[in-house]
Amino acid sequence: DGGITQSPKYLFRKEGQNVTLSCEQNLNHDAMYWYRQDPGQGLRLIYYSQIVNDFQKGDIAEGYSVSREKKESFPLTVTSAQKNPTAFYLCASSNSPPSGTNNEQYFGPGTRLTVT
Amino acid sequence: GNSVTQMEGPVTLSEEAFLTINCTYTATGYPSLFWYVQYPGEGLQLLLKATKADDKGSNKGFEATYRKETTSFHLEKGSVQVSDSAVYFCAVSGNTPLVFGKGTRLSVIA
Repeated sequence: DGGITQSPKYLFRKEGQNVTLSCEQNLNHDAMYWYRQDPGQGLRLIYYSQIVNDFQKGDIAEGYSVSREKKESFPLTVTSAQKNPTAFYLCASSNSPPSGTNNEQYFGPGTRLTVT
Repeated sequence: GNSVTQMEGPVTLSEEAFLTINCTYTATGYPSLFWYVQYPGEGLQLLLKATKADDKGSNKGFEATYRKETTSFHLEKGSVQVSDSAVYFCAVSGNTPLVFGKGTRLSVIA
């Protein structure tokens, strides 16, 4: 089955530690995205990547970093510089360009990160 | 940039009631419009979409019509079920990555 996997589903970390969230897709999509979801705020774009070895900052990139070494993988690192990292993180992919007029995205199941 | 405004929730309905969730957008050019649904603890699933003016997207009894003159894409369903309880997101794409509304939580009671 084609799809997007995110692991783990729940992640717990101590404040001051970096943590990396995994996102893998087997849809052969060029573009991948990371969103953060907080209650009542909808989805906010953190980073996106149109092709391998290229990525762009979204609306709330501060305190996060990404890499895109392989087409199927787009890991997100939440650094200790992120002031409020506890949130639900969603990864997505699309076979259309991020700035195209028909940017239909497919989502993974999400990772809930709790930092204490 | 693009933006989406959708009605705030929560919306609580009895089973078999009629549903409308309002969504308006601002965007330049010829954007596409989407409705996504999120069930508790899960990611988002595409519910329906429309890619040009006057198009009607439909799926699982839900419908929405792309109205360019009113910049709207309201979601409707004639008879909701308990299983429709979820959060619904309206989104617009075009010239920028997909932009989402804040979501509307729907609760359907038996």
